[in-house]
Amino acid sequence: AQKVTQAQTEISVVEKEDVTLDCVYETRDTTYYLFWYKQPPSGELVFLIRRNSFDEQNEISGRYSWNFQKSTSSFNFTITASQVVDSAVYFCALRQTNYGQNFVFGPGTRLSVLP
Amino acid sequence: EAQVTQNPRYLITVTGKKLTVTCSQNMNHEYMSWYRQDPGLGLRQIYYSMNVEVTDKGDVPEGYKVSRKEKRNFPLILESPSPNQTSLYFCATKTAREFYGYTFGSGTRLTVV
Repeated sequence: AQKVTQAQTEISVVEKEDVTLDCVYETRDTTYYLFWYKQPPSGELVFLIRRNSFDEQNEISGRYSWNFQKSTSSFNFTITASQVVDSAVYFCALRQTNYGQNFVFGPGTRLSVLP
Repeated sequence: EAQVTQNPRYLITVTGKKLTVTCSQNMNHEYMSWYRQDPGLGLRQIYYSMNVEVTDKGDVPEGYKVSRKEKRNFPLILESPSPNQTSLYFCATKTAREFYGYTFGSGTRLTVV
């Protein structure tokens, strides 16, 4: 079975703090893809990053970084020096290659960055 | 500009009154999909289409219909809406290339009273 767990329902931080959003996934496939999407208050879904299962290299993009660890089936997302504009719901998603084009989404983590 | 266009953005309707949510894309993507988003459940796939005239059920297809007569359009049809279909709906498209993720439309917030 494929499943994505985001155990943190809501997180509140003060501006400039670092924050990590957790994502744990379950899959039997050896080849799969992981994604993070951001949903700001306006409601649209914004693609942030994708990672395939055979590339465990961590990635940094500005204030964003992602830590992919196959050993713990985790794909955590860290925002450094958070800003109010980072306030959003963040979704982690999994796509297994044997399940067509369905993405399994986690329930999301609502991040509030307070000024 | 590459985009996925959904209409309407907001819709309030009554139980049993048929409605259609339209989705159109200009990226020549093969795959199109409909998701619904509910609090605490994330996004769940309703139906998807791998190309023209090829559609299949996702995880929560009950109460919905789709069609894919043209590559660019993938409407979602609710023949007899019920209150439990009140939700935020997203159309999504992607290329057939394995590595890429979905591009999402702006969403349709549907309320069935």
